[in-house]
Amino acid sequence: GAGVSQSPSNKVTEKGKDVELRCDPISGHTALYWYRQSLGQGLEFLIYFQGNSAPDKSGLPSDRFSAERTGGSVSTLTIQRTQQEDSAVYLCASSFVTGNTGELFFGEGSRLTVL
Amino acid sequence: AQSVTQLGSHVSVSEGALVLLRCNYSSSVPPYLFWYVQYPNQGLQLLLKYTTGATLVKGINGFEAEFKKSETSFHLTKPSAHMSDAAEYFCAITTGGTSYGKLTFGQGTILTVHP
Repeated sequence: GAGVSQSPSNKVTEKGKDVELRCDPISGHTALYWYRQSLGQGLEFLIYFQGNSAPDKSGLPSDRFSAERTGGSVSTLTIQRTQQEDSAVYLCASSFVTGNTGELFFGEGSRLTVL
Repeated sequence: AQSVTQLGSHVSVSEGALVLLRCNYSSSVPPYLFWYVQYPNQGLQLLLKYTTGATLVKGINGFEAEFKKSETSFHLTKPSAHMSDAAEYFCAITTGGTSYGKLTFGQGTILTVHP
């Protein structure tokens, strides 16, 4: 596709359920990033992939959060045993290179609401 | 550690008036600085960036920003506001190399443009 695609665009779940959020980056982009946007915390970095490996996962808030990337393309962010504080918009971004010239292209986000 | 402070969570201007959105940063290493814009229910779009070289950078939609090291500032300006500029604006900072895409964002400034 032309841009970064994220699904679902909206997800409502009950506390304690697991959720999966998907990101389909721009074709050929080697770097992929997950960010979280919430009212209380603003925009926060979660994790970064270079290819299929994640050199930096320092922003994941707890061990309930995990992410993987397969085939150097699609990434899935999984939140286990969701809590109300997980409610946020989860943004994915991709870039062509990881050096100093790569521009990040953001998707429209997945809005997660935990009841 | 790096940080960004955006002064003013809300800015209101009249159409045709000057737009000035303020951003101050803190960084122990030479920073790379960005301004992103977010329209409702959309992802982030890059307006402009400063990496090295010319300290006055021009971006899309008539916006520009000047990197002032002595003032640790990277304020965003536009000479004449348009109704379509109404959005939320984020200043962000990173370092180079493999951490380039790991952005630290300010809290955002909502710009309102009155007719």
